[in-house]
Amino acid sequence: RKEVEQDPGPFNVPEGATVAFNCTYSNSASQSFFWYRQDCRKEPKLLMSVYSSGNEDGRFTAQLNRASQYISLLIRDSKLSDSATYLCAVNLILTGGGNKLTFGTGTQLKVEL
Amino acid sequence: NAGVMQNPRHLVRRRGQEARLRCSPMKGHSHVYWYRQLPEEGLKFMVYLQKENIIDESGMPKERFSAEFPKEGPSILRIQQVVRGDSAAYFCASSPPDFRNQETQYFGPGTRLLVL
Repeated sequence: RKEVEQDPGPFNVPEGATVAFNCTYSNSASQSFFWYRQDCRKEPKLLMSVYSSGNEDGRFTAQLNRASQYISLLIRDSKLSDSATYLCAVNLILTGGGNKLTFGTGTQLKVEL
Repeated sequence: NAGVMQNPRHLVRRRGQEARLRCSPMKGHSHVYWYRQLPEEGLKFMVYLQKENIIDESGMPKERFSAEFPKEGPSILRIQQVVRGDSAAYFCASSPPDFRNQETQYFGPGTRLLVL
């Protein structure tokens, strides 16, 4: 089983739609969680951190369920510019300090007119 | 405040040559991470370094790959005797030293290595 699993998509949605991505992780010792966005041939950019209480940033809402080891990202009123690959990342704090991010393979979103 | 810098952005090597990839972390960041992204695959952790120390290299291939982060200068990822399978995008990330913000990693633009 992969450490972090995501549905690869692609998700093709019309502009204005609401779309949800899911991510599951296998290591229960994971301590923090993130969603990154990666445009084609570019570096990943941090979209948002994910907390158990849920967090919202404009049209984006992220949720964490530690019991089910599940992370979600909801995008409301999707825009053409939201088209990208969304990477789920799970963080372990290393014994010597520092962090190790494990990424899912990403979910591709295409927003269409 | 300049972000994470990587150079070269594109690197072409023939099989058997050496590849050197450089990464300068964001100003004030003392933690550097290297990741590899193969075509159509996710990012894979390779190594985590602090100044002059390798903290975790559990993702590094056992042979031909090495990394360093000297006291002065950028972090270097070195691949000896490259093979076609080494063709990938190599991303560097950095994070600040303070514990509270350490978990947030900022990525450089990557080096795209093509082995002919």
